[in-house]
Amino acid sequence: GAVVSQHPSWVICKSGTSVKIECRSLDFQATTMFWYRQFPKQSLMLMATSNEGSKATYEQGVEKDKFLINHASLTLSTLTVTSAHPEDSSFYICSASGLAGRSTDTQYFGPGTRLTVL
Amino acid sequence: GENVEQHPSTLSVQEGDSAVIKCTYSDSASNYFPWYKQELGKGPQLIIDIRSNVGEKKDQRIAVTLNKTAKHFSLHITETQPEDSAVYFCAAVGGYQKVTFGIGTKLQVIP
Repeated sequence: GAVVSQHPSWVICKSGTSVKIECRSLDFQATTMFWYRQFPKQSLMLMATSNEGSKATYEQGVEKDKFLINHASLTLSTLTVTSAHPEDSSFYICSASGLAGRSTDTQYFGPGTRLTVL
Repeated sequence: GENVEQHPSTLSVQEGDSAVIKCTYSDSASNYFPWYKQELGKGPQLIIDIRSNVGEKKDQRIAVTLNKTAKHFSLHITETQPEDSAVYFCAAVGGYQKVTFGIGTKLQVIP
């Protein structure tokens, strides 16, 4: 149990375009999903927290109009990077919590998506 | 807010030896402490966790200890193997599932 997938695993796009990243909990219903960003050789930085059917809560300094998060169902959350620029290039990782039998604060991470903006 | 300090940042051990990674946290309200292993180009994988009402937990070669009074917790890996080489992150979780990660420890197990 507790498998989280992300798609795509990597993406290269031109500056100014938008990119959508999907995060799915494959074998459990995730009450909460989280989006992180990780720069090379650094720790994970929480961008936002989302609950199914409600608006995401963004961390301070994260532009909600640039990083659009939709949590349409208990198994799917999407992150859209709008009008991407080279500084948005990073490793984006989602996580999900809510596995039955485990505490709601245990997060299970996806494999990550490498975004490169040219 | 919570602040988690982790050390060492890098650790090299000979295969078969033990490895210890230590973390401290600042917020006494944090009550859940997971450890994650991250291999290059992959997402973090939960390897063990401990809650504030427990002092020690063991799972085969991996153990975690927690000193709530001192706000310290540590990861112990015994009989290390080359496949243990990765970056390990400690984390402290408080209210609203807010997770604060340490900076990570790059463990290298030398065959």
